[in-house]
Amino acid sequence: SQQGEEDPQALSIQEGENATMNCSYKTSINNLQWYRQNSGRGLVHLILIRSNEREKHSGRLRVTLDTSKKSSSLLITASRAADTASYFCATGPSSGGYNKLIFGAGTRLAVHP
Amino acid sequence: DGGITQSPKYLFRKEGQNVTLSCEQNLNHDAMYWYRQDPGQGLRLIYYSQIVNDFQKGDIAEGYSVSREKKESFPLTVTSAQKNPTAFYLCASSSTGLNGYTFGSGTRLTVV
Repeated sequence: SQQGEEDPQALSIQEGENATMNCSYKTSINNLQWYRQNSGRGLVHLILIRSNEREKHSGRLRVTLDTSKKSSSLLITASRAADTASYFCATGPSSGGYNKLIFGAGTRLAVHP
Repeated sequence: DGGITQSPKYLFRKEGQNVTLSCEQNLNHDAMYWYRQDPGQGLRLIYYSQIVNDFQKGDIAEGYSVSREKKESFPLTVTSAQKNPTAFYLCASSSTGLNGYTFGSGTRLTVV
């Protein structure tokens, strides 16, 4: 079962522009994470936001979380060609135990020089 | 350097054959996971293990088997019962508490 759904499925922008990706989910969560995947490679963890946090920053990344709307957004500012990749959101369950993540289908971002 | 290693990078399987994908980590993580990724799609959980000698089925465990005899190792066997095994397989690990996953670089399995 897939918990998160990213929107849009694909995004094409020019270098220097900002890229915004959205993620919606269905059930209560403990945390939400964003990952990046370059073509044919493994995923790389970008940022984790807890359910009691509303916004988090890491370098050019800004993540927001709205638990009332069950949604999150990832903003990449001043994009670069090297940001071209697929971006996935993943949600962690609200109950205890290990953080078993459920991943969405991802947004494919293309940044053109 | 600490990390998670998957091998082989590419694997070809004949019809009716079992194959085993290797996943090794030296991060001292307790939990390990196997995901399957089909083209243009997200990750689906096959199996996960929170501790040595214990593992649980994920959403798509049918046709797969795992073992966790050592903390560092979590091999995945794709059996002949898996009717559509061609996919990209990703192994991940995590420590206790609220942390991100560390992923391996994946194994691309193709049925020939």
